[in-house]
Amino acid sequence: NAGVTQTPKFRVLKTGQSMTLLCAQDMNHEYMYWYRQDPGMGLRLIHYSVGEGTTAKGEVPDGYNVSRLKKQNFLLGLESAAPSQTSVYFCASSTLPRELFFGEGSRLTVL
Amino acid sequence: AQKVTQAQTEISVVEKEDVTLDCVYETRDTTYYLFWYKQPPSGELVFLIRRNSFDEQNEISGRYSWNFQKSTSSFNFTITASQVVDSAVYFCALSAGSSNTGKLIFGQGTTLQVKP
Repeated sequence: NAGVTQTPKFRVLKTGQSMTLLCAQDMNHEYMYWYRQDPGMGLRLIHYSVGEGTTAKGEVPDGYNVSRLKKQNFLLGLESAAPSQTSVYFCASSTLPRELFFGEGSRLTVL
Repeated sequence: AQKVTQAQTEISVVEKEDVTLDCVYETRDTTYYLFWYKQPPSGELVFLIRRNSFDEQNEISGRYSWNFQKSTSSFNFTITASQVVDSAVYFCALSAGSSNTGKLIFGQGTTLQVKP
């Protein structure tokens, strides 16, 4: 009954460090998404994937990379973290045209 | 261009009052989907409703109701007899586009505070 699982839930980085957020879904969904949530700005799409081996840019892709090597996993990478990337990150999955199922979020702070 | 606007940043009501959250959307596509999500203080995103562009019937689910009007490009959400547990951030979202990627465009969110 896991649904969408994000790891880690919390992380503090120093400027310039790199890290990877992992999203795993057990619903056999084709579509997966990474959003970031900032105060007063709602959720903004970073990258998304319409199937295994595919990725595409969303609204705010700069500074992030993604990979979808396995259908159930969608990784979000920060190669050189910046304070502007301090945010709450949400992963989601779906099977069209259904609603998106979201993970619990990952809070990232970049000092 | 596609856009969702939730003009109300914060709303504060007293318990048992009715409250309406506004949502205005923009899209040139004739086929699209509209959503409402709730984000309680615990932070998770809870799906409330999905409505497609061909179904303008209003929907009621318990104390919740939704009014979809294509003529004004609005999809408003009303909570009747609000309760403290309704305190949350509410997001309206739009999914549109011929590429059918399912990605959602979110409004800025409306923070609802229900006071006892």
